[in-house]
Amino acid sequence: AQTVTQSQPEMSVQEAETVTLSCTYDTSESDYYLFWYKQPPSRQMILVIRQEAYKQQNATENRFSVNFQKAAKSFSLKISDSQLGDAAMYFCAQTNSGYALNFGKGTSLLVTP
Amino acid sequence: DAGVIQSPRHEVTEMGQEVTLRCKPISGHDYLFWYRQTMMRGLELLIYFNNNVPIDDSGMPEDRFSAKMPNASFSTLKIQPSEPRDSAVYFCASSARVTHHNEQFFGPGTRLTVL
Repeated sequence: AQTVTQSQPEMSVQEAETVTLSCTYDTSESDYYLFWYKQPPSRQMILVIRQEAYKQQNATENRFSVNFQKAAKSFSLKISDSQLGDAAMYFCAQTNSGYALNFGKGTSLLVTP
Repeated sequence: DAGVIQSPRHEVTEMGQEVTLRCKPISGHDYLFWYRQTMMRGLELLIYFNNNVPIDDSGMPEDRFSAKMPNASFSTLKIQPSEPRDSAVYFCASSARVTHHNEQFFGPGTRLTVL
């Protein structure tokens, strides 16, 4: 069975600072995808960033980047220059090719002025 | 594109009543997923379809839940009879695996409250 673990239920960061959210996963597959989704209070699920397991280069999207350690099965999200609008629940998710997402329990991110 | 459309956005019903949730996926997407989100269990897959055919329904809690996809542009999730423990947010998501590299696009969710 696949599992995704987010060990930080809550995190806090000051505006303009950097924060890293942790995620580990377990899969026996060699071909898979990893995602970070953001869920603001509106409850809309928004894709933040995606990583293909076969790519060694870490994905980046503007202020968001990941540290993908395949051997350690670790997939952390770094948010640089944090903004008030980044406050939300963040979910790490993993899927094999073409199938359903398996989500972690989420990390609630608070951004303070 | 309008994105994934779900209706209703909110549903309040009494225990024992039938509830039907609706989803319109993004045009051209060949996968459709139903997820449920609760505080206790987080986000969990209920069922997913590929080209309108159910592929994995192992997440459906029990026989009270059923899902259909009669065509590529419409799916329903039905609960009959509903129970208070079914209260949750139900998300529909769709994807086009080949073109979007497994990214799933989520609808706004339906918040279901069973009294």
